[in-house]
Amino acid sequence: QVQLQESGPGLVKPSQTLALTCTVSGGSISSGPHHWSWIRQTAGKGLEWIGRIYIGGSTIYNPSLKSRVTISEDTSKNQFSLRLTSVTAADTAIYYCARGGSTLSFFHWGQGSLVTVSS
Amino acid sequence: QSVLTQPASVSGSPGQSITISCTGTSSDVGNYNFVSWYQQHPGKAPRLIIYEVSKRPSGISDRFSGSKSGNTASLTISGLQDEDEAVYSCCSHAGSHWVFGGGTRVTVL
Repeated sequence: QVQLQESGPGLVKPSQTLALTCTVSGGSISSGPHHWSWIRQTAGKGLEWIGRIYIGGSTIYNPSLKSRVTISEDTSKNQFSLRLTSVTAADTAIYYCARGGSTLSFFHWGQGSLVTVSS
Repeated sequence: QSVLTQPASVSGSPGQSITISCTGTSSDVGNYNFVSWYQQHPGKAPRLIIYEVSKRPSGISDRFSGSKSGNTASLTISGLQDEDEAVYSCCSHAGSHWVFGGGTRVTVL
């Protein structure tokens, strides 16, 4: 059974960079056809897909966040990471990592990591 | 605001059936049969309950069903139970990325 766990700072100052890591167990991030996404949930605004990384390091990002987002992988640690630059209060959210597959849906999710942007 | 439009809330009595709509465009819901639905209880991560418009993952009750017509997808919960009280979100593949609805809070009266 695949399990995902987010980790990272819970508080980030405005204009700084948000950085989170997702550690995967029970499956390899190097094996297809799965892809690995970051999704966030803001209070009262619902879920928002941020981007995904696929086998070999191929990435695709949400057009609305593309200029500030980088997703990378560390296959030796079976982890993938999110960096979001120039954060504002609007980036305060619960950040989830999730695994998608050939069904283009998200079957496995981490428990979520609350990140607050505040000085 | 979210890309896909869902009603903010829907309610029903135990045993009744309810339907939640999810309206997108010809660039997402209308063009792909990759609509999924997620159930989320307070403080928990979303849980996949429907994928590819109408398919259920193993272990999901057959009281949950999905459909699509044009740019609108729908989730029906039949035989409503107390445990169904949660937020339900739709999601659609949109070519190179994914878009979500704002979520619908289901209340069991």
